[in-house]
Amino acid sequence: EVVMTQSPATLSVSPGERVTLSCRASQSINSHLAWYQQKPGQAPRLLIYGASTRATGIPARFSGSGSGTVFTLTISGLQSEDFALYYCHQYDNWPPYTFGQGTKLEIK
Amino acid sequence: QLQLQESGPGLVKPSETLSLTCDVSGGSIKNYFWSWIRQPPGKELEWIGYIHHSGATNYNPSLQNRVIISVDTSKNQFSLKLTSVTPADTAVYYCAREWGLDASWRWLDPWGQGTLVTVSS
Repeated sequence: EVVMTQSPATLSVSPGERVTLSCRASQSINSHLAWYQQKPGQAPRLLIYGASTRATGIPARFSGSGSGTVFTLTISGLQSEDFALYYCHQYDNWPPYTFGQGTKLEIK
Repeated sequence: QLQLQESGPGLVKPSETLSLTCDVSGGSIKNYFWSWIRQPPGKELEWIGYIHHSGATNYNPSLQNRVIISVDTSKNQFSLKLTSVTPADTAVYYCAREWGLDASWRWLDPWGQGTLVTVSS
């Protein structure tokens, strides 16, 4: 099973700042990585797939990069609606699909 | 716009079977793979398994002895059964469509709102 490790667990930032979230895989997953955003009481929403492709309707301030075992999600110009939980998900080596434990983005 | 909605009992007794249904609207259940995922309170997401509209399934090895996922194309829905539940199975259960550019590598989009299932006597 591929173990996904996200860091940090919590990130305190101010609106307007640029932030980078990290996700590391225990073995190479090529570019088969997705990022999701989850707000309290809501379903996860797909942000990025293929490590770097934005999903339909996702603002350009969200960008993903990486391949192999190290991946990042960058949010430029944080807006109030971006404060949420973010999960990475590998779909390269399955079963099972596995997820990171999440990074909580909170307002500083 | 494709929408998914989970339904089922919110409380299940230990040793009994958890049963949930995911209704798919705004599109056909055919030609896609469909997944169940769960999230225990305060913990990370755990993939349970998927089903194709043809009935082909694949389960998380950690749960495969207790899981059955089925599909009813006439009702445009798919279902989850988890047997012999314990309090450790308490979680928000989500259904989601698998989607990808390649048949072998698929991400999850969209997701249902999720439903909390508590296992307690």
